[in-house]
Amino acid sequence: GNSVTQMEGPVTLSEEAFLTINCTYTATGYPSLFWYVQYPGEGLQLLLKATKADDKGSNKGFEATYRKETTSFHLEKGSVQVSDSAVYFCALTMGNQFYFGTGTSLTVIP
Amino acid sequence: NAGVTQTPKFQVLKTGQSMTLQCAQDMNHNSMYWYRQDPGMGLRLIYYSASEGTTDKGEVPNGYNVSRLNKREFSLRLESAAPSQTSVYFCASSQDLAGGWNIQYFGAGTRLSVL
Repeated sequence: GNSVTQMEGPVTLSEEAFLTINCTYTATGYPSLFWYVQYPGEGLQLLLKATKADDKGSNKGFEATYRKETTSFHLEKGSVQVSDSAVYFCALTMGNQFYFGTGTSLTVIP
Repeated sequence: NAGVTQTPKFQVLKTGQSMTLQCAQDMNHNSMYWYRQDPGMGLRLIYYSASEGTTDKGEVPNGYNVSRLNKREFSLRLESAAPSQTSVYFCASSQDLAGGWNIQYFGAGTRLSVL
């Protein structure tokens, strides 16, 4: 079946550090891939997406590339800020199937 | 510009009680979803509605029922609440089901405790 596996947290970084959160997927076809972010007390909101292999999604300095050969969609940011502290979810959709990873909590300290 | 609105925000129930969680979206989206979020388990899909008049089971439908009342509203009902249903519930909507159109917009959640 389809599934999403993402790096467990929590992750703690200093401001301006480089961020990578790993996400790999299992899918029988060609899914669309997403990263969502959840701030404390709020619902999830879309951060970025990619709908086909080799697509790169980007938003607010975050990037992720859809790698079919490694079935991965790792989230990266070159220089994190305190305001990036949140929980990040990798997600997969294909047809009428929707899967979210377990979430990775990120704390950025000044 | 409300987006997805869920009510109530918090609820405490006793085992065996029933309640309905309400969800409404004002984005003219076709598809709507109910998820539960539990620590260490991420979000799990309970039910979804691809379009007005249709509903389908997700990964964890047992103990729940849903109604797509109209295009805007999608409610989740717990007929006889159990402690295992203590969770945070999120409603979401998207333009459509398929692929890149399936950007989901989430409500702020309902925190439910069943004693």
